[in-house]
Amino acid sequence: QSVLTQPPSASETPGRRVTISCSGSRSNIGRNSVNWYQQFPGTAPKLLISNNSQRPSGVPDRFSGSKSGTSASLAISGLQSEDEADYYCSAWDASLNGWVFGGGTKLTVL
Amino acid sequence: QVQLQQSGPGLVKPSQTLSLTCAISGDSVSSNSAAWNWIRQSPSRGLEWLGRTYYKSKWYNNYAVSVKSRITINPDTSKNQFSLQLNSVTPDDTAVYYCARDIDWHDYWGQGTLVTVSS
Repeated sequence: QSVLTQPPSASETPGRRVTISCSGSRSNIGRNSVNWYQQFPGTAPKLLISNNSQRPSGVPDRFSGSKSGTSASLAISGLQSEDEADYYCSAWDASLNGWVFGGGTKLTVL
Repeated sequence: QVQLQQSGPGLVKPSQTLSLTCAISGDSVSSNSAAWNWIRQSPSRGLEWLGRTYYKSKWYNNYAVSVKSRITINPDTSKNQFSLQLNSVTPDDTAVYYCARDIDWHDYWGQGTLVTVSS
């Protein structure tokens, strides 16, 4: 059971907008910033959003992140078929003194 | 451009020690602004952070509670790399192991090494 809670799956049609939630606690999301990763089968996770809402160079502005209290969200607008992947949230946990991850959300573009 | 290149065996016998190395290019293991992590992924555990090493005037380590009694992460400044040792492995330690740079987020990852624990 992961420390951060994500829905196991999400789906939407091309061109539409989808949001993926990530729920934590005061010791992780409540105190520290949230990062999001995108992973395709057989490859390493790739940083998608850092520090709650910052996009690294090369990440399209269709991807956006937000945080409120002990929860965070990843939004993907203008969905494309190549967005079909697994998405993970992560944050530093002050009580565990380590990084924690969500269980991942498998996004299907219908 | 930072690159992380992992090496190590893909098969380890139960009760033995899992050993992996991550060679760094484009940055330094002694950097004052980065930490060097090991993370694993399996269907049963998902993404699981194992630990990290970093240098801020001296060397520090953080380890996950789940493996704290069995894990060692060491820097090797002469080769600009860092290593993972996980003792007394069981089949439950079977996973893809990744090294990753941490600058408050994990921005660079190694290619991953599938380690199977089996006799």
